[in-house]
Amino acid sequence: DIQMTQSPSSLSASAGDRVSITCRASQNIGTYLNWYQQKPGEAPKVLIYASSNLQSGVPSRFSGSGSGTDFTLTINSLQPEDFATYFCQQSDRTPLTFGGGTKVEIK
Amino acid sequence: EVQLVQSGAEVKQPGESLKISCQGSGYSFSHYWIAWVRQMPGKGLEWMGTIYPRDSDTRHSPSFQGQVTISVDKSINTAYLQWNSLQASDSALYFCARQENPLFRFDLWGQGTLVTVSS
Repeated sequence: DIQMTQSPSSLSASAGDRVSITCRASQNIGTYLNWYQQKPGEAPKVLIYASSNLQSGVPSRFSGSGSGTDFTLTINSLQPEDFATYFCQQSDRTPLTFGGGTKVEIK
Repeated sequence: EVQLVQSGAEVKQPGESLKISCQGSGYSFSHYWIAWVRQMPGKGLEWMGTIYPRDSDTRHSPSFQGQVTISVDKSINTAYLQWNSLQASDSALYFCARQENPLFRFDLWGQGTLVTVSS
């Protein structure tokens, strides 16, 4: 199985900050990497697919980059509604696997 | 409205059977895959498997194969996740999610079904 490792596991930030979350795959997955946001009591929501493609309806302050084994989700100018947990997920091969999550909290 | 609607929360005893459901609407149900994803309390996400309603082609995670059954009834736009004998360790939140392809993103999610197994 491909292991996905996210860092940090949590971070504190203020509204308006720029935040970056990294995800490392245990094998080369090309650009088959997706990012999700999950708020408490809600289902996850896809933000970025295929490493850098913004899902329709997602604000442009979210961006993704990377290929191979190292990927980054960046949130420019953090908004109050962005405080949530973020997961990466590889879709290169089954079994599909997720990172452990990064909780973005209010400083 | 394009949506996946899951069945309600369940409380079961160890050893009991259970079948939860996920009904799609607002889109061509048969032409998208439906996956099941587990989230244990306070934990991350685990892909369990995915099924194609058009022909019931199913891909399983080795971690869950033999532990659950994934099925579909395309006539009523509904996918199912079933257990024959629940264990306490099956207590979790279960989501269904839509995919265009078994290796694509999960672009639409159900609201989740909480399963609690306790004696």
